[in-house]
Amino acid sequence: DVKVTQSSRYLVKRTGEKVFLECVQDMDHENMFWYRQDPGLGLRLIYFSYDVKMKEKGDIPEGYSVSREKKERFSLILESASTNQTSMYLCASSSRTSGDTQYFGPGTRLTVL
Amino acid sequence: AQSVSQHNHHVILSEAASLELGCNYSYGGTVNLFWYVQYPGQHLQLLLKYFSGDPLVKGIKGFEAEFIKSKFSFNLRKPSVQWSDTAEYFCAVNLYGGATNKLIFGTGTLLAVQP
Repeated sequence: DVKVTQSSRYLVKRTGEKVFLECVQDMDHENMFWYRQDPGLGLRLIYFSYDVKMKEKGDIPEGYSVSREKKERFSLILESASTNQTSMYLCASSSRTSGDTQYFGPGTRLTVL
Repeated sequence: AQSVSQHNHHVILSEAASLELGCNYSYGGTVNLFWYVQYPGQHLQLLLKYFSGDPLVKGIKGFEAEFIKSKFSFNLRKPSVQWSDTAEYFCAVNLYGGATNKLIFGTGTLLAVQP
């Protein structure tokens, strides 16, 4: 069975803290994605990676960075958390086959105080 | 820029009513189309997808969607909804041939089914 896991379901941090969100997939997928989900805005792509050590900016990369040192793991980093980064963060993965389904993790609800 | 529009933001239905959720996209080329669903407290999961062939696609739990190329639409339908269909529904588009498989999502439709 396909599995994408995220390190935390709920996280509370303070403004200015450095925050790490971890995502692991066990499907040997080449592509991995980070989204944020906000009410009324749907899912917006922050960053994605199509191979180890490769990354590309999505639609809203400001204030975020990513790291992909191993194929199965994709980390999202908030260098200095701010209150407007309070959101639900979703990780997904897919194969490189065009149009392949993206599989999502359970999400991390991050609150920045 | 490519975009996906879901015109119904919040839909309330009684059990056994029929459902149709609208989805339109703006892109002139070939696309792959998806509907994802997020049940309360659960992760986002695939409901159905269209790649090619028969424009009427059947998914899980009795859902179907019809791709109408001339209207740039991919509306989701279910003849008779159940209370367990209460969820948020997202339409998404992937530009055909892109190996990165980036998806462009609509803003979602919250469906509440009253028993």
